[in-house]
Amino acid sequence: DVKVTQSSRYLVKRTGEKVFLECVQDMDHENMFWYRQDPGLGLRLIYFSYDVKMKEKGDIPEGYSVSREKKERFSLILESASTNQTSMYLCASSWGADEQYFGPGTRLTVT
Amino acid sequence: AQSVTQLGSHVSVSEGALVLLRCNYSSSVPPYLFWYVQYPNQGLQLLLKYTTGATLVKGINGFEAEFKKSETSFHLTKPSAHMSDAAEYFCAVSPFYSSASKIIFGSGTRLSIRP
Repeated sequence: DVKVTQSSRYLVKRTGEKVFLECVQDMDHENMFWYRQDPGLGLRLIYFSYDVKMKEKGDIPEGYSVSREKKERFSLILESASTNQTSMYLCASSWGADEQYFGPGTRLTVT
Repeated sequence: AQSVTQLGSHVSVSEGALVLLRCNYSSSVPPYLFWYVQYPNQGLQLLLKYTTGATLVKGINGFEAEFKKSETSFHLTKPSAHMSDAAEYFCAVSPFYSSASKIIFGSGTRLSIRP
């Protein structure tokens, strides 16, 4: 059974803090993704990675960076958190063009 | 380019009634098609998918969807709604040929079930 885990379910940070969200998958998937989900806006892709140390910008990369040093782990970094980054963050992984497997999500609040 | 349109951001049906959630897509190449479900404060879970072969696809929890190429549709149905079906549903498309493929998600349809 594929498992995608995220480091926190709920997180509260202050404006200007550096925030790390981590995601780990256990199925040797080559692709990993970070989305944010906001009411009325659906899922928006922030970054994705198709191999170790490889990354591509998604639709809304501004204010975010990512790191993939190992195949199973994909980190999302908010260099200086702002209140407009308060959101639900979802990590996913996949093999090729097939279905994506999602983690449980991290609800981040920036105050 | 690919896109997905889900008709109706909110659908409400009575318990025991037919559920129909509409999804239309555009794709310049043969697509993979997916339906996901999201319960409150959880991640997305795959309901069913179409890749190739039989156009009527059965999924979990009694849901099914039919790929209609001529109509570029992939509507989700369930004959009899249950209270536990209340959730948000996302239709998605990806190009099957790509090894590093992004999935394009629709904007979602919130399904409410009336007692």
